[in-house]
Amino acid sequence: DAEITQSPRHKITETGRQVTLACHQTWNHNNMFWYRQDLGHGLRLIHYSYGVHDTNKGEVSDGYSVSRSNTEDLPLTLESAASSQTSVYFCASSEPGQNTGELFFGEGSRLTVL
Amino acid sequence: KNQVEQSPQSLIILEGKNCTLQCNYTVSPFSNLRWYKQDTGRGPVSLTIMTFSENTKSNGRYTATLDADTKQSSLHITASQLSDSASYICVVSDSNYQLIWGAGTKLIIKP
Repeated sequence: DAEITQSPRHKITETGRQVTLACHQTWNHNNMFWYRQDLGHGLRLIHYSYGVHDTNKGEVSDGYSVSRSNTEDLPLTLESAASSQTSVYFCASSEPGQNTGELFFGEGSRLTVL
Repeated sequence: KNQVEQSPQSLIILEGKNCTLQCNYTVSPFSNLRWYKQDTGRGPVSLTIMTFSENTKSNGRYTATLDADTKQSSLHITASQLSDSASYICVVSDSNYQLIWGAGTKLIIKP
């Protein structure tokens, strides 16, 4: 069965360290997204990609970067982790056709920045 | 500003009872409205997607309604089960296909 997997599921790091969260999907979807989820807030879009070598900033992109070298993977990098980036991060993918298609989410990566 | 407001924030009901969750939005014009179910520690899972021309959509015991005139949607759960305990999130897609997420309603089903 097709799926979307994230790793690591849990990570604790220190302020200033670089962190990369991996996202791998076997749906063969062109569209991939990274969200963060914090208590009391809806999911907030960090970065998204509509295909290989395409990346776009979302509403909360500062301090994050992504790259898309193939269809399956969209790693999220925190260049210099800050305590404000403590959150649960979700990767998602969808079929082409912009955001009218159903989103499929990974299980999430819980990041703690000390 | 485009916003999606959900009520109540949390709800506790007994197993077997029905419940209705509310979603009000200010997104205009909008492309579609979605409801997601998110179990604790898991990613959201889609329940329904409705365009502006659809009034009702069902998925098993879940029925979503949409009133595009009043910009309101509801999710009705019939004969609740313990597995329905989760957060339910309303999401509205604007005309640029950007998704605006509500903060969710946390539903607890007690035996």
